[in-house]
Amino acid sequence: DAKTTQPNSMESNEEEPVHLPCNHSTISGTDYIHWYRQLPSQGPEYVIHGLTSNVNNRMASLAIAEDRKSSTLILHRATLRDAAVYYCILRMRYSGGGADGLTFGKGTHLIIQP
Amino acid sequence: SAVISQKPSRDICQRGTSLTIQCQVDSQVTMMFWYRQQPGQSLTLIATANQGSEATYESGFVIDKFPISRPNLTFSTLTVSNLSPEDSSIYLCSVEQDRGVGEQYFGPGTRLTVT
Repeated sequence: DAKTTQPNSMESNEEEPVHLPCNHSTISGTDYIHWYRQLPSQGPEYVIHGLTSNVNNRMASLAIAEDRKSSTLILHRATLRDAAVYYCILRMRYSGGGADGLTFGKGTHLIIQP
Repeated sequence: SAVISQKPSRDICQRGTSLTIQCQVDSQVTMMFWYRQQPGQSLTLIATANQGSEATYESGFVIDKFPISRPNLTFSTLTVSNLSPEDSSIYLCSVEQDRGVGEQYFGPGTRLTVT
């Protein structure tokens, strides 16, 4: 499986934007880039995913480099509730409609300062 | 989206016994997964459980230790057998509706402590 590399931890201030980087230099053409986060004492929560183009949803934006070897999850205005471990995960799409489970790395522990 | 519940939410078990964890979804889903999260670690996939077929186990996980049932499209169980302290972990189920291009929804987890 293609691997992702993320910083172990990042710190940001409340109400400021947060940019969480992810490197995936061995990504293949059929790999989607997924982001999940895990708040303390909860199961992971889907954040966003994309293939080639930048993506926006109500939670975050995903900026994907032109060569797809890296991506950045953007939280536009961090709140204390965004403090969590953020996981960048590559996921292959099967043409037949099947899917594997998610392969979680260590993720980035995001700390939000009030 | 899908709402997932797990039972029990936590349990303390003696070594050598077994614990069965239930995962219930509020809608029919094709794909269901079981994960383990050891203390301070990330999640590790145990197996994929699709209705109507045998569960598919990841390397390092075997059916005798982690038998799984998937009797219908809204329910699954994971049994952790012959418990040892090393099995102390959080066990989570997840479901997916979009076959690999969408999101997975996770249950709240079952915290197992083996004494």
